[in-house]
Parts: sequence; C-alpha cells; structure tokens
Amino acid sequence: RKEVEQDPGPFNVPEGATVAFNCTYSNSASQSFFWYRQDCRKEPKLLMSVYSSGNEDGRFTAQLNRASQYISLLIRDSKLSDSATYLCVVIGAGSYQLTFGKGTKLSVIP
Amino acid sequence: SQTIHQWPATLVQPVGSPLSLECTVEGTSNPNLYWYRQAAGRGLQLLFYSVGIGQISSEVPQNLSASRPQDRQFILSSKKLLLSDSGFYLCAWSVTGPLDEQYFGPGTRLTVT
Repeated sequence: RKEVEQDPGPFNVPEGATVAFNCTYSNSASQSFFWYRQDCRKEPKLLMSVYSSGNEDGRFTAQLNRASQYISLLIRDSKLSDSATYLCVVIGAGSYQLTFGKGTKLSVIP
Repeated sequence: SQTIHQWPATLVQPVGSPLSLECTVEGTSNPNLYWYRQAAGRGLQLLFYSVGIGQISSEVPQNLSASRPQDRQFILSSKKLLLSDSGFYLCAWSVTGPLDEQYFGPGTRLTVT
C-alpha cells in the first residue's frame, strides 16, 4: 500500500455542485494532516489543516478518520475558481516524515 | 508579513552543468526551510530540510546538495546535472517543526537537456 493515496481524477463537476475527495494513508502513527491547493504550474498553497474533530472554512470542510486512516475534503457550492489540483499531506511520527499525495484534479464547469 | 522568494523562475541547463537555486524568506526569524522537487506526474518529494544555519538533513540520496549560509537563505546545488533532475523545485518554510503547515515559494522550473 502506498503511503498516501489520492484518486487522481479528474473530477469534472458543474458550478454549484458539492464534491468530495478522499486521501488514504498507511502510517497509523501519522500526526498532522493538511490539504493544499495547487494551480497549474504554480506552487501549492495551504488550504486548511485537518483536525481530529473536523473543521470547516466557508464552503470547505475537512475531516479525519483515524480508524480508517483517511482524510477528506468536501467543497460545497463549487465555483469556477475552485478548479485546481488538491493535495493531501500526511506527516508521520518522528522527524520530517512528510508525504504529499499526488493530488486530485478538480475542474468546475460552467 | 512573511514572504518567500525563489529564483530563477525557469532554467534550462545541459546535462553535466552545475546548478544553483536560491531561496530567501523575509519577515520571520529562524524558520525551518525545505527543498522539494515535483517531477511530471509525481507528487512532491522532500529533498532537504534545515532547522538552522548550517544544519541540513537529506531525505533522498542523489547528486543534489543544499546549504544554509544565512538564517533566511537556502540554496540547492548540483555539480553535474542529470536528465532526471528536471522538475519543479519548490522551497518552503515553516515556523517550527515538521508538524507545522508549510508555505511555498513560487518555484523554479528546471529542464535539463
């Protein structure tokens, strides 16, 4: 099993739709989790941290399921500007065991 | 506010030539600094990280090296580039350790020909 796995997509959704991405991880001792957004040929930008209790930021909701070892990102009311690749990051126990997923590409269609 | 700079933005180099990429951070002191590479169709790979001046840890053995001559300066180098070194090189910083969120610079797109 790969350390961090994401469905590469692409997810093509109409404006206003709700879309969800999952990211599974193999290291049960992982401690920190993040979602980043990366536009084409640009640097990744932090979207949100993922907390055990789940967290919400506007139209974005992130959740962590430690038992099943996955994190999720839910985007409500999709906008054209949400089109990007979404990367999950899992940080394991110990020093700098940081792993990025390969990303899930989202295209929001008018 | 903190900003991170990288240069050059793009670079085309022949195989066997040297490399020097620079990253600087402004607006913070003693940041943790990181070098990543993102090859086409692959995820970000952590290459080096630094917790302080002169302190470099390598995650992946390769023909690249890193140095941190000043608190907010991080340099990625190679004596002889390989074709496989092509990719998108990203510098990042965090306030503290590896459990912190990281903030990325604009990146350098390197093509080795």
